[in-house]
Parts: sequence; structure tokens; C-alpha cells
Amino acid sequence: TQLLEQSPQFLSIQEGENLTVYCNSSSVFSSLQWYRQEPGEGPVLLVTVVTGGEVKKLKRLTFQFGDARKDSSLHITAAQPGDTGLYLCAGGKWNTDKLIFGTGTRLQVFP
Amino acid sequence: DADVTQTPRNRITKTGKRIMLECSQTKGHDRMYWYRQDPGLGLRLIYYSFDVKDINKGEISDGYSVSRQAQAKFSLSLESAIPNQTALYFCATSDPGPGSEQYFGPGTRLTVT
Repeated sequence: TQLLEQSPQFLSIQEGENLTVYCNSSSVFSSLQWYRQEPGEGPVLLVTVVTGGEVKKLKRLTFQFGDARKDSSLHITAAQPGDTGLYLCAGGKWNTDKLIFGTGTRLQVFP
Repeated sequence: DADVTQTPRNRITKTGKRIMLECSQTKGHDRMYWYRQDPGLGLRLIYYSFDVKDINKGEISDGYSVSRQAQAKFSLSLESAIPNQTALYFCATSDPGPGSEQYFGPGTRLTVT
């Protein structure tokens, strides 16, 4: 059972555009992580959010954890070709070290 | 040198063959994981190990087995490979604690014909 649904599944945009990726669940999580994966490599952690309503910024990337801790969003401002990749959200639970990964959003940014 | 290494990086095998994927890490982590990645499904957990003597099934363990030979080594085996096991396989490690960052290897692309 896939507990974390991401939308959109694919996104193809021009350099300079803004975009938002969503990660939704009916379950409550203790934390929410976002990873980026490039071709031929494993996912790499971008950010972890742990408090409901928390907002974190990483240069042009803004991450938000929903107030109810069931969802998250990733907003990219003025996308660049270097942002191209697969974005994965992952939810953590209080009683385990395992993560539940989302379905993924594949982003392509054209020059 | 990479902290988490996987061998082989690519493998093509035939239905019914036994195959082993290996993972080694130099991060000193106790927690190790094996995931499978398929398009549109994200990463799904196959097996995980919280220390050398603790091995647990994940959500899709059927058809797979694992061995934790040492703190640094965690191997995944397909006893009798079938075509729907064609996928990208990732090993990961982490520190203990909910929400800890996971560190991934570069992946093994497995094709079962």
C-alpha cells in the first residue's frame, strides 16, 4: 500500500518558471524528508521538516510541512536546468527508523 | 571514495537464476536497507537490518532474501529470478532514530529476461 502520493508525476517546464510539487497522505508523520535523485545515482537528502506548519528554505527551494503533518509541498522559484531530477518525499514515524517513500515527481527543466 | 557502494551496477540474468546484489558502507551505520525502485512507485522497502543480528522484512520481501555479513555489508539475493523483479535496486544506511537521513548507494539495474 502506497501511503504517500506525489503530484504531479511528471513536470516539464522552461528555465525561469516556478513550480510546486505536492506530497499527500491520509497518515500522520513525525517528520517529512525530501530527496532528489539524478540519473545513475541514489537519492540525496535535501531537507527534513519535523514540526507541523514548518517552512524551510534552501536557496530557491521552499519546503512546507502541513499543519496536520499529513502533507508537504516543495516550491521551486525560477527553476534552472540543474534542478532536473526525480524528487521523492519520505515520511517518518515516531516508533520506527524506517521511512515511507512517496511515488516520486520527475522534473525536467529546459534551457 | 563513495560511502555506500553497490555491486554489480548492472546485471542481466535469465529467469530462474540465483543472483546476489552486494552493498558495503564505510559510514559506520548500524541501520541498512534494501529498496526497489519502479517507475511511478517510488522506493519500496524489501528488507531492513537495524544491526548484524536484527533483520526484518519490508513491504515487498516475497522472492527475496538477505544476509548481514558484518556491520558494513548487507547482501540481497533473488533465489529464483523472475521478469517482474526487473527494477533498480538501492541499498541505504542511516544512523538510529526516527527521521534520520538515509544515505544511498548508486543503485544496481537488474534485468531478468
